[in-house]
Amino acid sequence: DTEVTQTPKHLVMGMTNKKSLKCEQHMGHRAMYWYKQKAKKPPELMFVYSYEKLSINESVPSRFSPECPNSSLLNLHLHALQPEDSALYLCASSQDNQGNEQFFGPGTRLTVL
Amino acid sequence: RKEVEQDPGPFNVPEGATVAFNCTYSNSASQSFFWYRQDCRKEPKLLMSVYSSGNEDGRFTAQLNRASQYISLLIRDSKLSDSATYLCVVPNKGGSYIPTFGRGTSLIVHP
Repeated sequence: DTEVTQTPKHLVMGMTNKKSLKCEQHMGHRAMYWYKQKAKKPPELMFVYSYEKLSINESVPSRFSPECPNSSLLNLHLHALQPEDSALYLCASSQDNQGNEQFFGPGTRLTVL
Repeated sequence: RKEVEQDPGPFNVPEGATVAFNCTYSNSASQSFFWYRQDCRKEPKLLMSVYSSGNEDGRFTAQLNRASQYISLLIRDSKLSDSATYLCVVPNKGGSYIPTFGRGTSLIVHP
């Protein structure tokens, strides 16, 4: 299984809502990533988990809260988002966090009203 | 200077043409390099990994020039389906490896 899955595919939420994005991989990878991508821009790194511990937080606002319940799962909890947070949120995984190739999920397209 | 730089294009080429993109990087200690392909509104998909001087896979060739700190992607016999954005990724080591993306190069292959 060489797939990274993400749910939901699409999400529309208001600024007062709380929602979560989910990501799963069964490749035995020990590094998992969250990215945010706006139209016509490259993916922008948000968080990196390595062996289920948060190793990189790229100064992301606290309204985004990551969680890694186990080595296969990665969540991104959303609360009090702003319209400018509307974007494609991509999850990726890699064997470890030593500069290996990453495999991306299909993303969640988020719209904040 | 940006850490990873790419010409955004677009590169507009006819079917059957050969096209090449370059990606320059600033960290001379970088050891691994990746090309991804991203279609509109889809996720990036790994196209090629480069760990030494280069790599070849069918119509695609990636070459690394460490002295000048760039990697290139050559596409031979372009197909309409090659139209996409090509992203260069160079993991940069600080305390941990941070995957650093170029802005991407847009390729349009026309009939």
